[in-house]
Amino acid sequence: QVQLVQSGAEVKKPGASVKVSCKASGYTFTGYYMHWVRQAPGQGLEWMGWINPNSGGTNYAQKFQGWVTMTRDTSISTAYMELSRLRSDDTAVYYCARDPDGQGWFDPWGQGTLVTVSS
Amino acid sequence: QSALTQPRSVSGSPGQSVTISCTGTSSDVGGYNYVSWYQQHPGKAPKLMIYDVSKRPSGVPDRFSGSKSGNTASLTISGLQAEDEADYYCCSYAGSYVVFGGGTKLTVL
Repeated sequence: QVQLVQSGAEVKKPGASVKVSCKASGYTFTGYYMHWVRQAPGQGLEWMGWINPNSGGTNYAQKFQGWVTMTRDTSISTAYMELSRLRSDDTAVYYCARDPDGQGWFDPWGQGTLVTVSS
Repeated sequence: QSALTQPRSVSGSPGQSVTISCTGTSSDVGGYNYVSWYQQHPGKAPKLMIYDVSKRPSGVPDRFSGSKSGNTASLTISGLQAEDEADYYCCSYAGSYVVFGGGTKLTVL
């Protein structure tokens, strides 16, 4: 079955970077866009951007441009999201999610990775 | 890229129907038939319930239905059940970006 498995929780200091991985299985990794969405504690969902695993092309939400980098390694069917210059309000659960047809809907989602930014 | 507008909370008794609205603009909800809805239980990842405004993925009960009129999309849940209590988020494709609603907490009384 289609599955996305993310890396484990991270604790980072302000100003550091974090890189979250998302390993896909059960489908052709390069055939579907991968999006990243985050959710701060008690808050709603926030779209961060997508990567085309086939070409490596990316599209980031305006808010995250210059600050987030999405990459992939097709040899191991894994997508990555790296966020730099972390601040305390970047504390959130980060999700990867597959886009079945490129029209901005998501199924399935990864289990989420909690990133805590604290001094 | 402003968030779509959803009511903060709705409630209903078992067996009743509830509707959650999601208002955007002509640049997102009104401009594309690509609205999706997600259910999220506490501590869990979101789950797709509706895509392309009104399509239901396999495995989602037909008690869940979606529609759209102009810049407002709606999710209707009929025959409410206790397990439907969760947060619900709408989402719209907007060409070069994707935007979510702020979320609605559904309470089953």
